[in-house]
Amino acid sequence: NAGVTQTPKFRVLKTGQSMTLLCAQDMNHEYMYWYRQDPGMGLRLIHYSVGEGTTAKGEVPDGYNVSRLKKQNFLLGLESAAPSQTSVYFCASSFATAGVAKNIQYFGAGTRLSVL
Amino acid sequence: AQSVTQPDIHITVSEGASLELRCNYSYGATPYLFWYVQSPGQGLQLLLKYFSGDTLVQGIKGFEAEFKRSQSSFNLRKPSVHWSDAAEYFCAVGAAGGFKTIFGAGTRLFVKA
Repeated sequence: NAGVTQTPKFRVLKTGQSMTLLCAQDMNHEYMYWYRQDPGMGLRLIHYSVGEGTTAKGEVPDGYNVSRLKKQNFLLGLESAAPSQTSVYFCASSFATAGVAKNIQYFGAGTRLSVL
Repeated sequence: AQSVTQPDIHITVSEGASLELRCNYSYGATPYLFWYVQSPGQGLQLLLKYFSGDTLVQGIKGFEAEFKRSQSSFNLRKPSVHWSDAAEYFCAVGAAGGFKTIFGAGTRLFVKA
């Protein structure tokens, strides 16, 4: 059981380039999330999705776009990368059932992105 | 607004010594509370959770945490630390009935021999 898989694991971009990060989960979770992790700031929510075909903005959405065309996949796009987007990006997913299970998130191993 | 504070950026303990990582939260109602661990190069893994009932909760890898409503705290403890416990630990709070989770800034644990 793979859980949550992120690709790529590492990437270096030049300012202004674009790229897409892919997240795939095989747990049939309804909810999916993209976070960025920066030193001393914990995880900050970029965008999230509560189901196939739906997306919503999180805490720090500027400069990012997302799509959820299939339930198992959640894509994060950077249209014009900036050095401020240098970070580690994590994808997570969770169930939509009632109760605490909805809040338990399963994480991928992360993508380390550097923008020069 | 919800918030989570982890006062210690990093902590160093000797192997075999006890450990306590602090977490304070701000939330208007009874929250769901979590501790996650992140090993180097890995994603976050759930250690334990609290959502109701007994205020002392047990987790994986010998960790436990105690919910203290009066202090708005949810501190993580382990009686005897192993070198493999070296990692970053995140406290998190979620809204009952919701799904979004707020994470603290993390505490990095170093274990010395």
